[in-house]
This record gives sequence, C-alpha cells and structure tokens, in this order.
Amino acid sequence: EVQLVESGGGLVQPGGSLRLSCAASGFTFSSYNMNWVRQAPGKGLEWISYISTSSSTIYYADSVKGRFTISRDNAKNSLFLQMNSLRDEDTAVYYCARAHYDDYVEYFQHWGQGTLVTVSS
Amino acid sequence: DIQMTQSPSSLSASVGDRVTITCRASQYISNYLNWYQKKLGKAPKLLIHAVSSLQSGVPSRFSGSGSGTDFSLTISSLQPEDFATYYCQQTYSTPRTFGQGTKVEIK
Repeated sequence: EVQLVESGGGLVQPGGSLRLSCAASGFTFSSYNMNWVRQAPGKGLEWISYISTSSSTIYYADSVKGRFTISRDNAKNSLFLQMNSLRDEDTAVYYCARAHYDDYVEYFQHWGQGTLVTVSS
Repeated sequence: DIQMTQSPSSLSASVGDRVTITCRASQYISNYLNWYQKKLGKAPKLLIHAVSSLQSGVPSRFSGSGSGTDFSLTISSLQPEDFATYYCQQTYSTPRTFGQGTKVEIK
C-alpha cells in the first residue's frame, strides 16, 4: 500500500525556519516525481513545488521561490521542504503528493495526510 | 501563469440531484485537467484525470468532460458522501494551478 507521511510542522515565528519531511513507503520512491501542495485556513489548494526523480528538475510557485527549497533522499525514501523566512501567509496544511502520468498528463494520485504549519508571533 | 476559474463557488443541492461544476482555463490546456474532492481534515482525493478518466474506486456517478479551455465535472445523482469541496487542476504548464474550489452543500 502506498503511504506518504508528512512530519515537521508546528508553530514558528515570522522570519523563522522549518523543515518538513514526507516519508514514503509501499512503492519505489526513486521512480516517482513528487510535489508539495498547501492549503491555508479557509482557502483553496495551492501547488508550491515539484521535484523530479533524480532532483535534476525543480519548480517553485512564485509565492515561495527564494524562500523554500525542495529536496529528496531516494536512499531514505524521503521528500523534504526547507522553509525559510516564513510569513504569516505561509500558515497552512502542507501535503506531499506523488505524481502519476497518463499519456503525459500529470496528476496527483496519492497524497499524505498533511502537516500543519502555523506562522505566528 | 494559467488561471483556473470554477463556477459556481458554492452550491446547495439535495440528495439525488444532478450537479455540474464548470472549470475554465485562461488559456489552452488540451486535456491536462484533473478533478479532486476535498473534505475537511482529509487529504485531497483524485476523482478524474485527463478530463474524463475516472479513478479506480470512484463511483460512476462522477464524470468529466470538456477540452481546450472549458471543462466540467458532473455528479449524476448526489449522495450524502459527496458533500465536499471540488477542485480542478491544470498540469499543462508550471505552476500547476488549481481552481478556487466549489463547495457542494446540503440544501
């Protein structure tokens, strides 16, 4: 069974840092591109970052570019999101999601349960 | 960036009703369009990918259609467990943008 388990969320002050982890199991992690998606309280889903299998291709949403860094450790079946210079508007539940493809169409079939990040003084 | 606009933003419906949610892309996205269901406190659930491909295990009352820039999700007979928020998503280009969501509530 595919499992994605996020951890590392918590309360942090504005300007602070936090590192999220996503532990993968039940599949060959190194074969799948991965994403981070977040949902702020009362708001919609927001895609924030993508990383390819070998980490050779990385994308960020403009809202986090220059502040967040996505990475992965295929040997440890883990995905990470290093979040620096955190702002109030980064308060959200953060999900990792596994990418799938059907004739080049990417979709997110498997998601973790999410981890809550609260940025507040 | 490609903007995804869903309508309506919310709707009230009764069990058994036929419900249609539309999603419009700000530019051509071919068939790179997915639909997700989101319930409070739960992870998003993929319903449909590539416009109309129903995810395994998703009831057949869900269907998707459209092409180019205009798409729709239809629930043929709304069930109690379908009350949730629905999001479309384009994966034609980066950033992978979502619509703002459509909340389906009980009338």
